[in-house]
Amino acid sequence: EVQLVESGGGLVQPGGSLRLSCAASGFTFSSSWMSWVRQAPGKGLEWVANIKEDGSQKFYLDSVKGRFTISRDNAKNSLYLQMNSLRAEDTAVYYCARDKRQQLGSIDVWGQGTTVTVSS
Amino acid sequence: DIQMTQSPSTLSASVGDRVTITCRASQSISSWLAWYQQKPGDAPKLLIYKASSLESGVPSRFSGSGSGTEFTLTISSLQPDDFATYYCQQYNSSPWTFGQGTKVEIK
Repeated sequence: EVQLVESGGGLVQPGGSLRLSCAASGFTFSSSWMSWVRQAPGKGLEWVANIKEDGSQKFYLDSVKGRFTISRDNAKNSLYLQMNSLRAEDTAVYYCARDKRQQLGSIDVWGQGTTVTVSS
Repeated sequence: DIQMTQSPSTLSASVGDRVTITCRASQSISSWLAWYQQKPGDAPKLLIYKASSLESGVPSRFSGSGSGTEFTLTISSLQPDDFATYYCQQYNSSPWTFGQGTKVEIK
């Protein structure tokens, strides 16, 4: 079964840091672009970042550039999102996601999400 | 960034109705458009990619059309399981952007 399982969410103070992890199984992780997408409470979906199969290319939403870092470990079938200098507006459910092959940008597999709350 | 605008924001319909949701892009995105369905508390689910290609396992009552800047998602005969929020997403150019969502409610 194709599966993505996120972890690492929680409550953090403004200016703090958090590292999200995503464990992938059931598919060839090293052959897939991967993304993080977030959804603020009661709001729509917002793409955050993505990373190429081998980690050689990374792209970010402007509002997180310089604060968030996406990375992967293909040996561990894992995707990460290091989030620094967190702001209240970063509060959201963060989804780990797989980009559909040959349709880079569309997402065919989603995790269940992990909740990040930035508040004092 | 490319802005995606969906209409309507909310739609009330009955089981068996034909439902159409529109998505407009602020500039041409060719056919690089996806549609997702999301139910409360769940992750989104891919329905349509490349504007009109049905994702594997998705019922054939769902269809997509359009190119350039105007796109539609049609549900030919609304089923009880279809009451949800629907999002369009462009993946023509980064940052990929989503529409604000269309909530399909029971009439």
